[in-house]
Amino acid sequence: GEDVEQSLFLSVREGDSSVINCTYTDSSSTYLYWYKQEPGAGLQLLTYIFSNMDMKQDQRLTVLLNKKDKHLSLRIADTQTGDSAIYFCAESGVEYGNKLVFGAGTILRVKS
Amino acid sequence: DTEVTQTPKHLVMGMTNKKSLKCEQHMGHRAMYWYKQKAKKPPELMFVYSYEKLSINESVPSRFSPECPNSSLLNLHLHALQPEDSALYLCASSPGTSGISYEQYFGPGTRLTVT
Repeated sequence: GEDVEQSLFLSVREGDSSVINCTYTDSSSTYLYWYKQEPGAGLQLLTYIFSNMDMKQDQRLTVLLNKKDKHLSLRIADTQTGDSAIYFCAESGVEYGNKLVFGAGTILRVKS
Repeated sequence: DTEVTQTPKHLVMGMTNKKSLKCEQHMGHRAMYWYKQKAKKPPELMFVYSYEKLSINESVPSRFSPECPNSSLLNLHLHALQPEDSALYLCASSPGTSGISYEQYFGPGTRLTVT
């Protein structure tokens, strides 16, 4: 079924690394996405990973995918106050009729 | 240009009003979407247009009427809304609707308040 789960809240100090976790249930997911939403704004696509990959790195962002455990994580290195936002994990797959299925979102708070 | 634009940014309307939300993209994307988002919740899909044809309607009440005049424009016509329809309305587009072409780019949204 359609079920993407995330922890609801994460608080880190500026300069530390942040790790946001997500679990999904669809076994045929083709792509998994991370979106960032700042207050009052739309969603910004941060990165995505194809389900046959284990890892993807893009500057301060590292995405890890454990397909066996259906676990996805987003690591933000050297977290800055501008990283404070809600982070949504999402998956897409043919079994969803090609719709994006979002998690509930993780609120990241960065303390200076 | 990876921008999706939406107008207006804010809209206040009464329950008897008729208004429209507009969305535009110039990335050559062939799929466009309307989502509704309540505070601190994930977006909920409303409609999908693929190649200017409505392909998905998520059982949205008829007081919301989408329109895709061309491949770059998407409208959402609003009529006789209820206070519970107050939300952030997000438009998105993607190159296609499957595989690697499915990454969706979102606009900044229209904050709608129904009084």
